[in-house]
Amino acid sequence: EMQLVESGGGSVQPGGSLRLSCATSGFTFSSYGFNWVRQAPGMGLEWVSYISDGGGTMYYADSVKGRFTISRDNAKNSLYLQTNSLRAEDTAIYYCARDYTSGWYGGHYFDSWGQGTLVTVSS
Amino acid sequence: AIQLTQSPSSLSASVGDRVTITCRASQDISRALAWYQQKPGKAPRLLIYDASSLGSGVPSRFSGSGSGTDFTLTISSLQPEDFATYFCQHFNTYRGTFGGGTKVEIK
Repeated sequence: EMQLVESGGGSVQPGGSLRLSCATSGFTFSSYGFNWVRQAPGMGLEWVSYISDGGGTMYYADSVKGRFTISRDNAKNSLYLQTNSLRAEDTAIYYCARDYTSGWYGGHYFDSWGQGTLVTVSS
Repeated sequence: AIQLTQSPSSLSASVGDRVTITCRASQDISRALAWYQQKPGKAPRLLIYDASSLGSGVPSRFSGSGSGTDFTLTISSLQPEDFATYFCQHFNTYRGTFGGGTKVEIK
């Protein structure tokens, strides 16, 4: 059974840091790109970051560029998001999502998701 | 950056109704669009990708159509388990984006 399990969330003061993790199982982790997507309380979905299967390509939303770093460890089947200089507006549930590309139109989609980990930034 | 505008933001419908949700892109995105369903307290679920391809295990009452800038998600006969929020999504070369969401509520 395929599983994605996030961890590492918690409460932190503005300016603080957290390292989010996503442990996976049930599929060949190294064959897939991954994304982080977040959702502020009561709000919609916001894409945060993408990393390719080999880890050589990374993209970020403008709202987190320069503060967040996505990485992966294919030997540990795990995805990470280092979040620095956190702000109140970063408060959200953070989901890891497996990337799926059909190949026909160049689209990237998110075909499997974890349950999310909550990050709360408050003084 | 490409923006996705969904309408309506919410709707009320009854079991058995046909429901249509639209998503408009700020520029031509061919057919590179997906739809997701999210229930309260749960992660989103991929329903449709490439505008009209059904996701794994998704019931056939869900369908998608459109290309270019205008897209539609249709639920042919609304079931009790379909009351949820629906999001459209696109990922171009460098970033992803979601529509604002459409909440489908019980009439």
